[in-house]
Amino acid sequence: DAGITQSPRYKITETGRQVTLMCHQTWSHSYMFWYRQDLGHGLRLIYYSAAADITDKGEVPDGYVVSRSKTENFPLTLESATRSQTSVYFCASSTRSGSSYNEQFFGPGTRLTVL
Amino acid sequence: SQQGEEDPQALSIQEGENATMNCSYKTSINNLQWYRQNSGRGLVHLILIRSNEREKHSGRLRVTLDTSKKSSSLLITASRAADTASYFCATDAMGGGNKLTFGTGTQLKVEL
Repeated sequence: DAGITQSPRYKITETGRQVTLMCHQTWSHSYMFWYRQDLGHGLRLIYYSAAADITDKGEVPDGYVVSRSKTENFPLTLESATRSQTSVYFCASSTRSGSSYNEQFFGPGTRLTVL
Repeated sequence: SQQGEEDPQALSIQEGENATMNCSYKTSINNLQWYRQNSGRGLVHLILIRSNEREKHSGRLRVTLDTSKKSSSLLITASRAADTASYFCATDAMGGGNKLTFGTGTQLKVEL
């Protein structure tokens, strides 16, 4: 199906474990993003990518690693999960027109709980 | 810190009434976007207004942009229970480094 998907939708893990959240889009959008959403903070950008093999830090990158070997995939890894990383994670993709962004398309989210 | 700040944080109205939400931001922008988020779902894009535009319409939505005041408003006319959601503004800042910055959102509740 066309669109942007995330997996898993729900994940419970323990402190110290490595966790990878997957994101896949079928539009071949150049830009992809990872956000976390917490009460009182809105959406905060973790990492973004302008193209395959090009990634950059966002507002809250500590404790996270990303890669983008293919345009359609943008996995997010928590190297050693902490309780403070309990959150809802959203992946998004977008294109640009000149110097400005077009709309972002969001995945359904992954609810991660770190015990 | 957040580039966009929505006001009010929460809004409760009756079906059929209009709902107005405001967004203020700090730096010059290329465009400003509004998104809706239903409970437990991802964000959905509503409307994009460019820095050289002052007003834009889409169905029951009306967005205004005042770059001199660094503010935008989203008006939903004749609201319905299905409009109950959180609404976020997002700014594409000039020289902002390839990203949108989202505000903390307005929670709208439309009661029957």
